[in-house]
Amino acid sequence: AQTVTQSQPEMSVQEAETVTLSCTYDTSENNYYLFWYKQPPSRQMILVIRQEAYKQQNATENRFSVNFQKAAKSFSLKISDSQLGDTAMYFCAFSSMNSGGYQKVTFGTGTKLQVIP
Amino acid sequence: DAGVTQSPTHLIKTRGQQVTLRCSPKSGHDTVSWYQQALGQGPQFIFQYYEEEERQRGNFPDRFSGHQFPNYSSELNVNALLLGDSALYLCASSSEGLSFTDTQYFGPGTRLTVL
Repeated sequence: AQTVTQSQPEMSVQEAETVTLSCTYDTSENNYYLFWYKQPPSRQMILVIRQEAYKQQNATENRFSVNFQKAAKSFSLKISDSQLGDTAMYFCAFSSMNSGGYQKVTFGTGTKLQVIP
Repeated sequence: DAGVTQSPTHLIKTRGQQVTLRCSPKSGHDTVSWYQQALGQGPQFIFQYYEEEERQRGNFPDRFSGHQFPNYSSELNVNALLLGDSALYLCASSSEGLSFTDTQYFGPGTRLTVL
């Protein structure tokens, strides 16, 4: 079974600064996808960025980028030029196929990020 | 483009009661997954529906059941409510769910409180 670990329950960052959220996972599979989701205080979970495991190039979406280290099974999220609207819970998620041939998504426990003005 | 919608927003029930939560998937999606998110925790997979059938299930008791309608909308039913069922229930939709590359899109959730 896959496990996803987010070791930082809470973090804070000054507005305009850069912050990195960590995520590690455990799997024996070779093909999978990784996601970062953001859940603002209003609760709706929003996709931030995703990474294909078979691509070595790290994904980037505007101020959000990942550092994907497949051998180390690490998938960290870097937020540059932090904004007040980045305040949210961030969840790392691992997607693979289960034995029945269907997508299975496993979430970490989340990191609560507070951006300080 | 309509996103994933859920109703109601909040529910308060007492132990032993039954509850039904509803979800309409994002336009163009046919697969609905339900998650339970306890306070301060990540979402835990309950089950997934495709073509009106439960296709896969997480580690949840039979008190949790569901249904999917021909228009792809879905219901989550919980019987004999326990205090521990208090949580945010999230619905996520995707297209077919046959590839690990599919992205799940989430609704705003239903906050269930069991007293």
